[in-house]
Amino acid sequence: DVKVTQSSRYLVKRTGEKVFLECVQDMDHENMFWYRQDPGLGLRLIYFSYDVKMKEKGDIPEGYSVSREKKERFSLILESASTNQTSMYLCASSLRGTGVSYEQYFGPGTRLTVT
Amino acid sequence: AQSVAQPEDQVNVAEGNPLTVKCTYSVSGNPYLFWYVQYPNRGLQFLLKYITGDNLVKGSYGFEAEFNKSQTSFHLKKPSALVSDSALYFCAVRDGGTGRRALTFGSGTRLQVQP
Repeated sequence: DVKVTQSSRYLVKRTGEKVFLECVQDMDHENMFWYRQDPGLGLRLIYFSYDVKMKEKGDIPEGYSVSREKKERFSLILESASTNQTSMYLCASSLRGTGVSYEQYFGPGTRLTVT
Repeated sequence: AQSVAQPEDQVNVAEGNPLTVKCTYSVSGNPYLFWYVQYPNRGLQFLLKYITGDNLVKGSYGFEAEFNKSQTSFHLKKPSALVSDSALYFCAVRDGGTGRRALTFGSGTRLQVQP
C-alpha cells in the first residue's frame, strides 16, 4: 500500500513564525502536491512538484513556498504565518506519465492553527 | 480551465435506501474523473475513477459512478446505504487534454445516513 505521512497531525503557531510542514511518501512517486482544505471550499492546490527540485505554483501559492530536495520528501513552508493560514493541510503523491493510474494518495493531514 | 461542481452541501438518506451524490465538471479536453471519501480527522481515500472505457465504473465499498459525457456529470451511487458510509465526499477532475498534472476538487458533499 502507498503510504504518505505528514510530520504533525496538529500544530499551533504564532503569527509571524516560520512554519515547516513535512511530507514523506514511500512509493517512489514522481508527483507530490500540497493542498489546503477549508469548509465549503474543498481542496485548493498550493504547490506541486513533478521531480526533485522542480515545482509549480498551484491556485493559491501566495504566502507559501516549497522544497523538494529528495524524491520522497516534499516540504511546505509558511514564511511568516498569518491567521488566515489557519487550515487543514493535505499532502498527496502520484505517479507521473501517460498510461498510469493518475489517482493521488493522501496523507492524514496537518491541522494548523495560527494565533 | 478545469472545474468541478458539487451542488449539494449535504445529502441525507435512510440506511438501506439508494444514495446519489452529484458531480458535474468542465474541461476542454477529455476528463479524468475521481471520487474520494474523507472520514473525520482523516486524509482522503480514493474510491473510484473514470479514465476511459465503460461509462459505469465500480469502486470500493460498493460504490459506483456513471460518466455521462452529454450532461458532463459523474454522479456517485450506491444501491443500499450504510450508516458507516456517512462521511465527506469529494469529486475531482483532471483535464487529459491540457497536461495539467493536478486535480481540481469540488467543494465536497457531506453524506449523512440515518439508521
